[in-house]
Amino acid sequence: KAGVTQTPRYLIKTRGQQVTLSCSPISGHRSVSWYQQTPGQGLQFLFEYFSETQRNKGNFPGRFSGRQFSNSRSEMNVSTLELGDSALYLCASSSGGDRGLIEQFFGPGTRLTVL
Amino acid sequence: GESVGLHLPTLSVQEGDNSIINCAYSNSASDYFIWYKQESGKGPQFIIDIRSNMDKRQGQRVTVLLNKTVKHLSLQIAATQPGDSAVYFCAEIYYGQNFVFGPGTRLSVLP
Repeated sequence: KAGVTQTPRYLIKTRGQQVTLSCSPISGHRSVSWYQQTPGQGLQFLFEYFSETQRNKGNFPGRFSGRQFSNSRSEMNVSTLELGDSALYLCASSSGGDRGLIEQFFGPGTRLTVL
Repeated sequence: GESVGLHLPTLSVQEGDNSIINCAYSNSASDYFIWYKQESGKGPQFIIDIRSNMDKRQGQRVTVLLNKTVKHLSLQIAATQPGDSAVYFCAEIYYGQNFVFGPGTRLSVLP
């Protein structure tokens, strides 16, 4: 089974721009979660999508948004980029069942650099 | 590869020794606790979880201990191998959906 894939792997943007990151979950997985990882704040939960609906949300501003398509692929969008948005953005997929958030499979991440 | 947590606390152990990685958590209402391993250039990988009504759980070469009295979680790795070198994170889930990660510990296995 192919793992979670994320594109692009690396991205450089400037302040004020917007960016869209993509995540393809493991085949059959219906839940996709997004995380931000920085040296200063560590790993932080952004949101989770299940069957095209946002099911859970972390404590991030509205500039961070996402969506999920009928094939479970997910995109994350960040508008009006700030320097502090530079981070590794991780996507994780799971079956979404009772142990959904517990047994997640992470992708390799997208490294976003904001200049 | 990606650098994760440039200034993380580091635990150095000799190959073959046992490793103990500790984590303090914050919410007494947490339902589950999870340990992840993250190697350079990769996303976190699930190792083991423990429910809040348990105090010990064993996996393959790993044991997780939970002490709710002092809100402390530990991961024990038996017979540490070079492939165990990575950053280890604990995470807590409370109210079934709120996910909080610890800062991580870098494990370095010496030959």
